[in-house]
Amino acid sequence: DVKVTQSSRYLVKRTGEKVFLECVQDMDHENMFWYRQDPGLGLRLIYFSYDVKMKEKGDIPEGYSVSREKKERFSLILESASTNQTSMYLCASGLAGGTTGELFFGEGSRLTVL
Amino acid sequence: QKEVEQNSGPLSVPEGAIASLNCTYSDRGSQSFFWYRQYSGKSPELIMSIYSNGDKEDGRFTAQLNKASQYVSLLIRDSQPSDSATYLCAVTGSARQLTFGSGTQLTVLP
Repeated sequence: DVKVTQSSRYLVKRTGEKVFLECVQDMDHENMFWYRQDPGLGLRLIYFSYDVKMKEKGDIPEGYSVSREKKERFSLILESASTNQTSMYLCASGLAGGTTGELFFGEGSRLTVL
Repeated sequence: QKEVEQNSGPLSVPEGAIASLNCTYSDRGSQSFFWYRQYSGKSPELIMSIYSNGDKEDGRFTAQLNKASQYVSLLIRDSQPSDSATYLCAVTGSARQLTFGSGTQLTVLP
């Protein structure tokens, strides 16, 4: 089975802190994604990557950055956390090619910024 | 206008009934269509994908796609309480990115 592992299930941070969310997948997928999920807004794409060292902005990249130094690992960075970044963050991975919508999600990281 | 729209629900159906979940999308260049199921407190999981007009059946689930009407639906036959979840419609548009609807919450009543 595909496994997508997110490093932290629950985090509480202070405004202005730097936050790292780590995601590792074990199925050699080329594509990796970071979404945030908020009630009533659904899943919104923050950043994605189709290859190592490659990154693309999604719909809501402001306030976030990412790093993909290895194929299996995709990290989301909040340089200076703000209260409006309190959310559930979901990492996903998938194969390249035509089926780019067939994604496998991690368990999620619920971040609270105080 | 949202790119992918779903009725937020909640939608309640009795056990054994057919649950019908609907989704419309705005990008006419969309190529691929997906239904994800998300149980409360869990992450989404893919349950159906459909790429061409018509119906696609998988067990109790049927996905229907009508590209001319920009409409995709999911039918769940013989609904079970274990089907109670939020169902997310997702569409891969012309930019290849996957866009999700906000989901429809389904409750199957025993």
